[in-house]
Amino acid sequence: ETGVTQTPRHLVMGMTNKKSLKCEQHLGHNAMYWYKQSAKKPLELMFVYSLEERVENNSVPSRFSPECPNSSHLFLHLHTLQPEDSALYLCASSHPRDTRSGHYGYTFGSGTRLTVV
Amino acid sequence: AQSVTQLDSQVPVFEEAPVELRCNYSSSVSVYLFWYVQYPNQGLQLLLKYLSGSTLVKGINGFEAEFNKSQTSFHLRKPSVHISDTAEYFCAVTRLNQGGKLIFGQGTELSVKP
Repeated sequence: ETGVTQTPRHLVMGMTNKKSLKCEQHLGHNAMYWYKQSAKKPLELMFVYSLEERVENNSVPSRFSPECPNSSHLFLHLHTLQPEDSALYLCASSHPRDTRSGHYGYTFGSGTRLTVV
Repeated sequence: AQSVTQLDSQVPVFEEAPVELRCNYSSSVSVYLFWYVQYPNQGLQLLLKYLSGSTLVKGINGFEAEFNKSQTSFHLRKPSVHISDTAEYFCAVTRLNQGGKLIFGQGTELSVKP
């Protein structure tokens, strides 16, 4: 267990369904990230939240909608997805800025394996 | 813009052999460098990081990496691999004062055969 918990671990949904992915951390981090990892493709940064404010949205389709109600929780709301959205969705957290001790790197969750049918 | 290139998408190797996974980055300013490992059906786990100081960095599971500023490289090495090292390995970089955002390479799939 890394300290970043993602639920569910696996999700199968139809193209007309609405579902949500959840990420939770109690590491004292206040930056959180959503990544998409597709087979044979690099990690794609989707969203960045720092101090509960969205600071980056990398041209992600509107069928993906993030929510960060507090610094410990991050959601990814899904609706009317396409089969090409099937992937491993990874959540990560970190300290948002470099400190005197240096950058700590990200702590990742185990991911949610999403299959869109 | 900075980028990270992992020169090998797949590296097959026999058990107990040495291995080197290559990583080059492009940045004109000081950087922090990282290697992550991803085992099947899991998230990414930090192996090691270079922040400053000694250019040879030791990480978990017997891995080490050497920061070479003149060649802008941060290659990962292990003198003797095990079957359990089979995984995907990612190199990542961030710049000073960039607010912590990591840029990842494409990944290298290490396959250790008996």
